[in-house]
This record gives sequence, structure tokens and C-alpha cells, in this order.
Amino acid sequence: QSVLTQPPSLSAVPGQKVTISCSGSNSNIGNNYVSWYQQLPGTAPKLLIYENNKRPSGIPDRFSGSKSGTSATLGITGLQTGDEADYYCGTWDSSLSVGVVFGGGTKLTVL
Amino acid sequence: QVQLVESGGGVVQPGRSLRLSCAASRFTFSSYTMHWVRQTPGKGLEWVAVISYDGSEKYYADSVRGRFTISRDNAKNTLFLQMNSLRIEDTAVFYCVRAPGLRVPKFDYWGQGTLVTVSS
Repeated sequence: QSVLTQPPSLSAVPGQKVTISCSGSNSNIGNNYVSWYQQLPGTAPKLLIYENNKRPSGIPDRFSGSKSGTSATLGITGLQTGDEADYYCGTWDSSLSVGVVFGGGTKLTVL
Repeated sequence: QVQLVESGGGVVQPGRSLRLSCAASRFTFSSYTMHWVRQTPGKGLEWVAVISYDGSEKYYADSVRGRFTISRDNAKNTLFLQMNSLRIEDTAVFYCVRAPGLRVPKFDYWGQGTLVTVSS
């Protein structure tokens, strides 16, 4: 059971837009920045979004992030077959068990 | 390009120990916070531990506190994870990850991972 809640799976067709939600609490998302990671099959995760909505250099603007209260959202527009991957949200948690928490991951299938 | 190369994984019996290393290069290692993150095959990411740039602060996940110890050698640009009293549920790929600050969840570079299998 992950501290951050994500939908386990989503599917869409090429060209569509999808959003992936990440729900937490005041001790994590509510008071800390959120980041998002893409993990293609057989590879290490890659940073997609940091500080809620910033993209590292090289990440296309088809990927966007937002945060409101204790929830965050990753948006992907103009879906491509290469976007088929697992997506994770992550943030710092300031509760009794201080540290980093991740969502359980969302498997995105591009049909 | 930043490089993080983990080593030390392998097959170990329950209750035994293992020490992972992560060799860092092409960036100023001593300026960055470092984490270990693990992933059970086919499952999600689980944060394991973090160490500040100078080693003065360390935090652990509840699941490993008291059994694992994170450390670093800034002179040798190397991060370590000493894992004692290993359990079957510790079986995972362990990633070495860089972050700009202790409470900054911006994992901008990941190693390729090293597989630890705990089995009798």
C-alpha cells in the first residue's frame, strides 16, 4: 500500500491527452514539491517533472505537471506509442517517518 | 554526462549481509544528496535511504531502519549501502539516485540498478 495513490492503469489512443492523478496528504504533497518519473520497460526511471510543474531540459512540452492542495496531476498530450510506460509520482514526507514517498505507479498503455 | 554505476548485488541467504556501492562520475559528487531507491521485480518504486552531501544527515525507510546503513566517501566519489539481516522481501533492484538537496524530491539521475536476490 503506497502512501501516494495513483490509478494502477490507464489506456488511450495515439494523439489523445491523458492525465494521471496522484493523491496524498498534508504531510507530503500538501507541503512539498512533487516530481514525476517515467519508466520504460527494462530501464531505470527518468525524471519528467520536478517542483510540481517544471520540465528538465530535453523533456518535451507534451508533458506537464500541476498541483492543488494534496493532489498532483501529470498531463500528457499528443500521445505517442513511445509514451507507453509506467509513471510514478514522488515527494518528500514530513510525517513521523520522514523520507521520500512514491505512488504505486500507473501503467499507461497506448493502444 | 552524469554517471552512476551500482555494484555489489547478487544472491544471498536470508540473515546474511551485502554491501552495495555506487561509483559517481562527471559531476561534483560532494555537492549532492544521494538516495537509494529499490524496486521489486514487476512492482513499484520504494525509497530506501538518503544521505546529505556531507554525510551529516541520514534517513531511512521504516522497512530497513536498523538493518541498513547508508554512507558515502566523497574523496572516492562513492556511495554505499550496507545491508544486514537481509530478508526475502528485500529482493529488488537497487538504484543509486542523485538529488540536489536533502528534502528536494528531484531525482535527476539514476544508475542502471543492481539486483539483490535474497533466497535460501
